[in-house]
Amino acid sequence: NAGVTQTPKFRVLKTGQSMTLLCAQDMNHEYMYWYRQDPGMGLRLIHYSVGEGTTAKGEVPDGYNVSRLKKQNFLLGLESAAPSQTSVYFCASSYASEKAEKYNEQFFGPGTRLTVL
Amino acid sequence: RKEVEQDPGPFNVPEGATVAFNCTYSNSASQSFFWYRQDCRKEPKLLMSVYSSGNEDGRFTAQLNRASQYISLLIRDSKLSDSATYLCVVNTVAPRDDKIIFGKGTRLHILP
Repeated sequence: NAGVTQTPKFRVLKTGQSMTLLCAQDMNHEYMYWYRQDPGMGLRLIHYSVGEGTTAKGEVPDGYNVSRLKKQNFLLGLESAAPSQTSVYFCASSYASEKAEKYNEQFFGPGTRLTVL
Repeated sequence: RKEVEQDPGPFNVPEGATVAFNCTYSNSASQSFFWYRQDCRKEPKLLMSVYSSGNEDGRFTAQLNRASQYISLLIRDSKLSDSATYLCVVNTVAPRDDKIIFGKGTRLHILP
């Protein structure tokens, strides 16, 4: 099993360009997440999904859109990239819990390093 | 009070020593808690879940103190390979307001 994979690994964009980051998982997890990690800021949740066809906003959703058309894939889009979106982007997935706690161990992909000039 | 707070460190600890760090959280309704480890330029990986009764995995012990709203991680007989950043995660489930909050991490350096 590959676990969680992310493409691309690295990307450099110019301000105003658009791009899509792809996350794929082969663990049949219900939940998927997109985070960004910046120095001194820790991991911050951008958007997440609790099932195919559903998405929800996290802590820092502005400037990003997501889609979960297939259970195994979660796409993160930047419509008009800005230098403030220079970051390392991590995707993660977790299985659904029947308990009230709902959120379980997350498995992370290797990350995408994005630079916006 | 910040939602989730960790001492950023770094903690510089000699090999073989015991080290402990805490993570405080502000929402008393938070339900689940985890410790992750992140190596430099790598993705976070789960270290331990944190239960009310406390849990131990080899040299690692995690505790939850709901009254004081913090979780702790204790590492005994520290190894050079324990050098990493340790992230706490606090999850809260609420109607249309679920939150998954990572702490900024505590850096640990084990010294030979």
